[in-house]
Amino acid sequence: ETGVTQTPRHLVMGMTNKKSLKCEQHLGHNAMYWYKQSAKKPLELMFVYSLEERVENNSVPSRFSPECPNSSHLFLHLHTLQPEDSALYLCASSQSPGIRGAGGPTDTQYFGPGTRLTVL
Amino acid sequence: GQQLNQSPQSMFIQEGEDVSMNCTSSSIFNTWLWYKQDPGEGPVLLIALYKAGELTSNGRLTAQFGITRKDSFLNISASIPSDVGIYFCAGHSQGGSEKLVFGKGMKLTVNP
Repeated sequence: ETGVTQTPRHLVMGMTNKKSLKCEQHLGHNAMYWYKQSAKKPLELMFVYSLEERVENNSVPSRFSPECPNSSHLFLHLHTLQPEDSALYLCASSQSPGIRGAGGPTDTQYFGPGTRLTVL
Repeated sequence: GQQLNQSPQSMFIQEGEDVSMNCTSSSIFNTWLWYKQDPGEGPVLLIALYKAGELTSNGRLTAQFGITRKDSFLNISASIPSDVGIYFCAGHSQGGSEKLVFGKGMKLTVNP
């Protein structure tokens, strides 16, 4: 496989369930991201990992717990979610997470196909 | 925080027509990216721009990095039905955070 892959593509869960989203990148990148995309809203950055270390936590509720065991894999563990958490969750990767004032080719992000999450 | 103004928000065109969309910011950007998103899929990178004034083509798509570094446009020529989707601009601002800032997207509908 190439690029960025995400599993599952669709997930329906109850508010008391625990589930995990998986992302894998095959691009040799060192930075990975989780985004939330809700209807009619801009993409919301949730977490940024660089070389397996979390470098950004964008005020995300603790019911979302990321894990980055290595530079190719990123997980988002979900527990006791709310219906308003239903959205498309997108993973992205880039060669580097970007440094202040840069934003060159190494910071360009490539997205996975997303996981459509529905919380009942 | 940083915001990108993307316009128009939606367009309805006939197959074969050209379409143009743009993004503006209140601050200087170092990078402009254009993505397309199909329903239920992730954004796919169409064109990346890294230098002010840069004009880049990708098939029927052409994008330019504005000389002021505060805007960018994307043109699609001779549209076809598969051009339907949501087009996002995004960029990294100079001196800003590491975050990639996104526009709200433009929904394109192409009538056969």
